[in-house]
Amino acid sequence: RKEVEQDPGPFNVPEGATVAFNCTYSNSASQSFFWYRQDCRKEPKLLMSVYSSGNEDGRFTAQLNRASQYISLLIRDSKLSDSATYLCVVNGGNTDKLIFGTGTRLQVFP
Amino acid sequence: DAMVIQNPRYQVTQFGKPVTLSCSQTLNHNVMYWYQQKSSQAPKLLFHYYDKDFNNEADTPDNFQSRRPNTSFCFLDIRSPGLGDAAMYLCATSRGVTGAGETQYFGPGTRLLVL
Repeated sequence: RKEVEQDPGPFNVPEGATVAFNCTYSNSASQSFFWYRQDCRKEPKLLMSVYSSGNEDGRFTAQLNRASQYISLLIRDSKLSDSATYLCVVNGGNTDKLIFGTGTRLQVFP
Repeated sequence: DAMVIQNPRYQVTQFGKPVTLSCSQTLNHNVMYWYQQKSSQAPKLLFHYYDKDFNNEADTPDNFQSRRPNTSFCFLDIRSPGLGDAAMYLCATSRGVTGAGETQYFGPGTRLLVL
């Protein structure tokens, strides 16, 4: 089992749609959770951290379910510029390491 | 602007010819990381430095070495590049340990091509 698992997609959605991604992680000792966005041939960029209480940043909402060990990202009112790969990232338990999922690709079309 | 800088952005080398990739940061972060990312794969951690303390991943080939002469700079040396080493190499930094919620900030990457 992979340490961080994501549906690779692609998710093809029209502008204005709401789309949700899920991610599961295997290490119950993980304490830190993030969503990164990666555009084609570019570096990953932090989209948002994920807190136990859930958090929202504009059109983006992240949720954490520790009991089930999954993280979600909801994007409302999708824009063409949201097209990218979204990487689910968790820290490797009591380590300095971040474990990356392989990403979920989103394509928003007009 | 404070940032993570990588040079060069594109590097072409020959099979077996040593190559060095560089990373610098103006964030004054304690931790610097090197990742390898191949197409459609997750970034794979090669090693990281916490200050001067070097931490190698168990599955990082001996062909890959790193140096951190000071807080700002970190280098990735590939002693004898093989065709399988062609990838994007990403440098990242964090203020502290990511287990404590610290995020990592990535440079733009160096894309390595091995001929």
